[in-house]
Amino acid sequence: NAGVTQTPKFRVLKTGQSMTLLCAQDMNHEYMYWYRQDPGMGLRLIHYSVGEGTTAKGEVPDGYNVSRLKKQNFLLGLESAAPSQTSVYFCASSPGSPGLAANEQFFGPGTRLTVL
Amino acid sequence: AQSVTQLGSHVSVSEGALVLLRCNYSSSVPPYLFWYVQYPNQGLQLLLKYTTGATLVKGINGFEAEFKKSETSFHLTKPSAHMSDAAEYFCAVSEGSGTYKYIFGTGTRLKVLA
Repeated sequence: NAGVTQTPKFRVLKTGQSMTLLCAQDMNHEYMYWYRQDPGMGLRLIHYSVGEGTTAKGEVPDGYNVSRLKKQNFLLGLESAAPSQTSVYFCASSPGSPGLAANEQFFGPGTRLTVL
Repeated sequence: AQSVTQLGSHVSVSEGALVLLRCNYSSSVPPYLFWYVQYPNQGLQLLLKYTTGATLVKGINGFEAEFKKSETSFHLTKPSAHMSDAAEYFCAVSEGSGTYKYIFGTGTRLKVLA
């Protein structure tokens, strides 16, 4: 099993450009998450999904959109990139609610995005 | 609202010394608690988790953590640090049934000195 994979690993954008980050998991997990990690701020939740065809906003959703058309994939889009979106982005998946049976999250290796 | 506090954004220990990373949480209900480790340029991976039952939880790589409800703490320890333990450590919490999210602390970067 590959677990959680993310594409691409690195990307440099100019302000105003758009891009899509792809997350894929092969564990048949229901829940999927997108986080951003910035120095001294830990992980902040951007969007999440509790199943195929569903998405919801997290703490910091502005400037991002997501889609989960297939259970195994969770896409994060930046429509018009801004320097404030320079960050490391992590995707994670979980078999179910973290409130049930203490389901843990499985993380991808991250995407390092720089917006100039 | 749930919150997680990790005291000390950077901790340095000598190789062979005790590792103690602190985590306190606020919760009105018994939470589930997690410790994750992040090695340089990698994603997070689970070290250990507390669900219910035994309050001392053993994890991978010799780490353990003790859930203390009265102190709302879940500190991570390892008796003897190894150079390979140098990484960033995150404490996380989730509330009871029906929740969708995990609340992460801001992380503690552990440095191990030779």
